[in-house]
Amino acid sequence: QQPVQSPQAVILREGEDAVINCSSSKALYSVHWYRQKHGEAPVFLMILLKGGEQKGHDKISASFNEKKQQSSLYLTASQLSYSGTYFCGTEPRGNYGGSQGNLIFGKGTKLSVKP
Amino acid sequence: DTEVTQTPKHLVMGMTNKKSLKCEQHMGHRAMYWYKQKAKKPPELMFVYSYEKLSINESVPSRFSPECPNSSLLNLHLHALQPEDSALYLCASSSRQGGYGYTFGSGTRLTVV
Repeated sequence: QQPVQSPQAVILREGEDAVINCSSSKALYSVHWYRQKHGEAPVFLMILLKGGEQKGHDKISASFNEKKQQSSLYLTASQLSYSGTYFCGTEPRGNYGGSQGNLIFGKGTKLSVKP
Repeated sequence: DTEVTQTPKHLVMGMTNKKSLKCEQHMGHRAMYWYKQKAKKPPELMFVYSYEKLSINESVPSRFSPECPNSSLLNLHLHALQPEDSALYLCASSSRQGGYGYTFGSGTRLTVV
């Protein structure tokens, strides 16, 4: 039930855009996005709870298609500080519509932003 | 205070040792988690505590024993570990279990010799 992320790696120049995709074979209660820099803890970016929901801050935003069990993370006008590994995490939906309470991470997308 | 504090940061232990990892948060979060992360892999869920009660055990071997003494503290007791248990052990917390973002601690890097 691990979500599938794509691409595995992306190399960008400063100012370029990127999209990272996350899909699940299970019905989802929520999708989380985290960024982890080398040697550091994962940092929470955002959570999407409702189908069709879109969120964002600064130049990082995300969308959630509940019917397709898919989410995408959009990074626009990338900065050097965006470098790191991006993980999506999915909370499966339980039998009664709530969360199963376990967050499962995809394998990650390594993003490198070059000057 | 918006942090999750983990101690120790590094730990080297023999296969016959007993040690404990500690995790503390003062954000009033009522769900706490242990994850294991190997190099270049995603975090893998081990245990979930909700309101100080064990909610999820992801079939973790009994040589790992979690404990939640109060709403701010989470421990992971280690005994008779194997070299393949060497990894970064991450603690996280969230307001409630389900539907809330996680705050992670910086982890304990464990080496079993």
